[in-house]
Amino acid sequence: GNSVTQMEGPVTLSEEAFLTINCTYTATGYPSLFWYVQYPGEGLQLLLKATKADDKGSNKGFEATYRKETTSFHLEKGSVQVSDSAVYFCALSEGWGAQKLVFGQGTRLTINP
Amino acid sequence: EAGVTQFPSHSVIEKGQTVTLRCDPISGHDNLYWYRRVMGKEIKFLLHFVKESKQDESGMPNNRFLAERTGGTYSTLKVQPAELEDSGVYFCASSQDLSGELFFGEGSRLTVL
Repeated sequence: GNSVTQMEGPVTLSEEAFLTINCTYTATGYPSLFWYVQYPGEGLQLLLKATKADDKGSNKGFEATYRKETTSFHLEKGSVQVSDSAVYFCALSEGWGAQKLVFGQGTRLTINP
Repeated sequence: EAGVTQFPSHSVIEKGQTVTLRCDPISGHDNLYWYRRVMGKEIKFLLHFVKESKQDESGMPNNRFLAERTGGTYSTLKVQPAELEDSGVYFCASSQDLSGELFFGEGSRLTVL
């Protein structure tokens, strides 16, 4: 079946550091790929998405590129802030539509001032 | 506009007891989903309602779980009888249509002792 594997956490960085959270997937067909973020005390929010190979999703300074050849969708940000501290989930869509999602295990990110 | 709301935020029950979780989707959203994250593992799909009909319940773990959405508005997820392995966070999500964004609630944490 379809699956998503993401970088083990927790990850701790200093403010203004470069961030990469790795995500790879296994899927039949051509799923859409997503990054969701859960800030403390809040629900999951869609951070960015890409619907086909070579698409780049971007939002709030975060970027991820849909790489079909390496089945990856790594999340990057050039300069993180304390407010980026959260749990990040990589996910793919399964089936028709974009809403039956298969998630990775989540990566907790802590940014220290 | 109110987001997806879930109640209770945290429930602690003993093995064998019954718990009912409630989800109020965003007004006007026909699609409602339940997902859960058991401790340390991935968030997994449970089921999908379109209005009051179950569109896909392939993720429901067993017949101790019963989901309803009478009238196509709010939904309940009942666990009866609860087992230790049911502990985790249960997320509800809603969307207006299948091509749109999925909006998640904060989750209901269930602890079974």
